[in-house]
Amino acid sequence: GAGVSQSPRYKVTKRGQDVALRCDPISGHVSLYWYRQALGQGPEFLTYFNYEAQQDKSGLPNDRFSAERPEGSISTLTIQRTEQRDSAMYRCASSLELAAGYEQYFGPGTRLTVT
Amino acid sequence: AQSVTQLGSHVSVSEGALVLLRCNYSSSVPPYLFWYVQYPNQGLQLLLKYTSAATLVKGINGFEAEFKKSETSFHLTKPSAHMSDAAEYFCAVSETYKYIFGTGTRLKVLA
Repeated sequence: GAGVSQSPRYKVTKRGQDVALRCDPISGHVSLYWYRQALGQGPEFLTYFNYEAQQDKSGLPNDRFSAERPEGSISTLTIQRTEQRDSAMYRCASSLELAAGYEQYFGPGTRLTVT
Repeated sequence: AQSVTQLGSHVSVSEGALVLLRCNYSSSVPPYLFWYVQYPNQGLQLLLKYTSAATLVKGINGFEAEFKKSETSFHLTKPSAHMSDAAEYFCAVSETYKYIFGTGTRLKVLA
């Protein structure tokens, strides 16, 4: 595709509900990354995939957060039993290769608000 | 451990004046360094990156940055600010696949 797309762009949910955030990377990009950006902060790494394999999930805050990329393309970040502290901008990025120095292309983000 | 410090969460310049956004990094190995720009309601867009080929890196929209190892800095500059440069700018460091971002600097351009 022309760029990384994310859906929904905005999500308001009530505390305790589950949410699923979707990322569609640039076609042909093998690596996909999830970041979370709190207000007034820079993006913070959550997890990444090389093809369909999740190779680092050290940034996921707790076990309510999970991510998958079953066919090596579209990825879903799921947050179970949402809490107000989960409110943030969730950003997805993709890169052509998994290697240091390769630039990551970012999507527009999903702004999650938990009420 | 890697880290990035961006001095000044808000910077204001007059249109036509020099833009200087500061970034200092910490890394145990020679790092890759990036500057991204974020316009409202848009994703992060890469301005430029340093990958050890040259210490002075030129990017898009007239921006450039100079890698100074002795100062562990990678400051972003532009000789003459335009109104369209108003945005939030993020510096990032990477030793591997993972980016570590600074907290960002919001640039305001005054007419």
